[in-house]
Amino acid sequence: EAAVTQSPRNKVTVTGGNVTLSCRQTNSHNYMYWYRQDTGHGLRLIHYSYGAGNLQIGDVPDGYKATRTTQEDFFLLLELASPSQTSLYFCASSDGGLGGRSSYEQYFGPGTRLTVL
Amino acid sequence: LAKTTQPPSMEAYEGQEVNVSCSHTNIATSEYIYWYRQVPHQGPQFIIQGYKDYVVNEVASLFISADRKLSTLSLPWVSLRDAAVYYCIVTDKGTQVVGQLTFGRGTRLQVYA
Repeated sequence: EAAVTQSPRNKVTVTGGNVTLSCRQTNSHNYMYWYRQDTGHGLRLIHYSYGAGNLQIGDVPDGYKATRTTQEDFFLLLELASPSQTSLYFCASSDGGLGGRSSYEQYFGPGTRLTVL
Repeated sequence: LAKTTQPPSMEAYEGQEVNVSCSHTNIATSEYIYWYRQVPHQGPQFIIQGYKDYVVNEVASLFISADRKLSTLSLPWVSLRDAAVYYCIVTDKGTQVVGQLTFGRGTRLQVYA
């Protein structure tokens, strides 16, 4: 069973605060993704990466930075958090279409609920 | 990306078979069909994928009409743990943003004991 973990599970910060969300996958997957999920918007892709040191921009990247330090670890950084970034954040991984599996077969973490006051 | 239409909600009792439909009338020949579900307070979970005909795995079956405009996810013997929102996604494996998933509103399945 694929394993993706996220920390923290819940985070409260103030406007202008600095937040780092962490994600680790033990699936040996190449691709990792950060999504946010909001009522009325569904799941939206923020950033993704296809390997250590690589970063690609998703649909809603403004206000977010990301860094992929190893194959296992992918971080999402909010350097000046705003209330509009209050959301449920999910990390996911996939093997990017290798080994016969589709890159759309993604394995998600449990999510981090972020509240920016 | 093909637009999908699902019923907003369904209800079932434990032990029943549940069939969740998804209409994708504009599906392109290059597009595949994926199903995910999301239980409250958890991340989405991949269920099954298919291109045509019939696909089955240990969790569910997927029936795809001959013209590929309709797919049906079949869950045998549902339990309370199957209560979730079920999402049908139609997408091209070759889209530029690799693996980007776009979830619609899905079908909320309520299961009663």
